[in-house]
Amino acid sequence: DTGVSQDPRHKITKRGQNVTFRCDPISEHNRLYWYRQTLGQGPEFLTYFQNEAQLEKSRLLSDRFSAERPKGSFSTLEIQRTEQGDSAMYLCASSLWTGFNEKLFFGSGTQLSVL
Amino acid sequence: DAKTTQPTSMDCAEGRAANLPCNHSTISGNEYVYWYRQIHSQGPQYIIHGLKNNETNEMASLIITEDRKSSTLILPHATLRDTAVYYCIVTGTGNQFYFGTGTSLTVIP
Repeated sequence: DTGVSQDPRHKITKRGQNVTFRCDPISEHNRLYWYRQTLGQGPEFLTYFQNEAQLEKSRLLSDRFSAERPKGSFSTLEIQRTEQGDSAMYLCASSLWTGFNEKLFFGSGTQLSVL
Repeated sequence: DAKTTQPTSMDCAEGRAANLPCNHSTISGNEYVYWYRQIHSQGPQYIIHGLKNNETNEMASLIITEDRKSSTLILPHATLRDTAVYYCIVTGTGNQFYFGTGTSLTVIP
């Protein structure tokens, strides 16, 4: 069991630059989630995929954010024209959805700092 | 949006039971109660979940009141490694996991 893997662990960028994060879920999991967490707050839902399909996006996900899961395995989250307010921990989680209830397994996150 | 209310912080002596309360007075009949915890600089970790009955696993016990409007997570013998933020989440099938700000538990030697 390799768990959920996120890369990179840390990213420092300048305002206006684009950044991309990668998430590798647990291999047999069909659902993949992205969350964002700022200091002192709990994780906030951004979006999720079931296999390749992006089924829900939060209103927090502005047009500058895009997520993909092209083959139903790994996922990428891209932020275009980063702003200082994008500085946060970006967490990925995966689950095996069987139509009943589910347990989310989280990665260690990517810490983004926008200067 | 979070549907739960938790105390902001709690202390517990090492070796004693830690009892973390959660109020969820608007819970619906098909919604589950989940508990996660987050140790500094790590992603949240699943602890336990339940619907109506009390549940126990190797990490903790979950006690849900008969009216389901509140629950308690019990760590039977707290250790220093249990120091973390604990999140109580209420969610149903097809709904998202909304984390509030949780309870910051400090286990004191």
